Amino acid sequence: QKEVEQNSGPLSVPEGAIASLNCTYSDRGSQSFFWYRQYSGKSPELIMFIYSNGDKEDGRFTAQLNKASQYVSLLIRDSQPSDSATYLCAVMNTGFQKLVFGTGTRLLVSP
Amino acid sequence: DAGVIQSPRHEVTEMGQEVTLRCKPISGHDYLFWYRQTMMRGLELLIYFNNNVPIDDSGMPEDRFSAKMPNASFSTLKIQPSEPRDSAVYFCASSPTRGLSYEQYFGPGTRLTVT
Repeated sequence: QKEVEQNSGPLSVPEGAIASLNCTYSDRGSQSFFWYRQYSGKSPELIMFIYSNGDKEDGRFTAQLNKASQYVSLLIRDSQPSDSATYLCAVMNTGFQKLVFGTGTRLLVSP
Repeated sequence: DAGVIQSPRHEVTEMGQEVTLRCKPISGHDYLFWYRQTMMRGLELLIYFNNNVPIDDSGMPEDRFSAKMPNASFSTLKIQPSEPRDSAVYFCASSPTRGLSYEQYFGPGTRLTVT
C-alpha cells in the first residue's frame, strides 16, 4: 500500500463548478497535510497546508481533514480554466521534515 | 525576494558522464531537499539537509548519487556515472523552521536527459 494515494484523474469540471480532490494516507501519525499545484513543465507550488487540528479556507480553496478515515480533501470553488493543473497531496509525520507525496490528480476545467 | 535557484535548467549528457546539479536555497531557510520526478514514480525525496548537515539520504538510489551542502547558500547533487534511467526532472526545495510551519518551496527544476 502506498503511503499517500490519489486518483490520477483526469478530473473534468466545467468552469464555475466546485472541484473536489481527495487524498488518502496510511500513517496515522501524520500531522501536517499539504496541497501543491503543478502546471505542466513547472515546479510544484504550495497552495494550502493544514495541521491535525482542523480545516482551512483560503479564498476559493478549502482543505479538509478527516483523521478517522485518513483522508484529506481540497475543494476549489468557482473553478477557472487557469486551475487546470496536477494537484499533489503531501503528508508529513510528527518530528520529521520529510514530505511524502502522492502521484497527483490532474484537474481539467473546461470553459 | 528570490526563490530557490537551480542550475542548469536543462542538461543533456551521454551515459557514463558525470553530472552536477546546483541549488541555492531561499536565504534564511535551514532545510534543503533534493527530489526527483518521473512519470512512473512521481516525486521522490532523495536527500535532505538541516543546517548544512545531511539528515536522511535513504532515498538516494545508489552509490552513483552523492549530495553536498558546503554552506547555507549552496548545494550540489552529483551523479557519476550517469545512466539513461537517471533521466528525470530534479527539484531542489527549501524550508524554514517556524514553529509548526514546514512549508517547502521548490526551485524551477533541472531536466536531465541521459542518452
